[in-house]
Amino acid sequence: SQKIEQNSEALNIQEGKTATLTCNYTNYSPAYLQWYRQDPGRGPVFLLLIRENEKEKRKERLKVTFDTTLKQSLFHITASQPADSATYLCALAADSWGKFQFGAGTQVVVTP
Amino acid sequence: DGGITQSPKYLFRKEGQNVTLSCEQNLNHDAMYWYRQDPGQGLRLIYYSQIVNDFQKGDIAEGYSVSREKKESFPLTVTSAQKNPTAFYLCASSMGGQGASYEQYFGPGTRLTVT
Repeated sequence: SQKIEQNSEALNIQEGKTATLTCNYTNYSPAYLQWYRQDPGRGPVFLLLIRENEKEKRKERLKVTFDTTLKQSLFHITASQPADSATYLCALAADSWGKFQFGAGTQVVVTP
Repeated sequence: DGGITQSPKYLFRKEGQNVTLSCEQNLNHDAMYWYRQDPGQGLRLIYYSQIVNDFQKGDIAEGYSVSREKKESFPLTVTSAQKNPTAFYLCASSMGGQGASYEQYFGPGTRLTVT
């Protein structure tokens, strides 16, 4: 069965450092991969989209990579700030029709 | 002020009762989605609709029903047949029929507790 795995342990990181999160998948060939941020008790907020034919995407301090050979996406937050503390979700879609499957998310805690 | 609204934020029901969760968007989006989120788990797709008067089952549709009579509205009914309805319910929308190319906009969620 299809499986999406994100590290369930919280990532504790010092302000100014780079946070790196992983999203691994099995039995899946996603054409699209999205990353979202979710704060407690709120709906997720879209951050980045990357397609299967793209290796890397950047947006301000955020960078995402997509390796279809390793079946993995990496999400980086550079120069992290306490305001970056949240849970980050990856979401995969096999085709363009918008039926996504989400990972459980990884919590990031940035301390001053 | 554009966006997605869900109401109510908190909902309490007795077991055996049907309950309807509201979702409205003024973003002029064609596609709308309902997800369920349980602690420690990812969002799971209940139903989605790519156009008015059409919707498809997601991965966990049993015990739920939806309607899409208007572009702006996609209400979800949690029926008494749903075995474990207590959860955080999230509604989302995206542009166009090919929704995977576009970001999903999420509502604030409704936390349903059934006792």
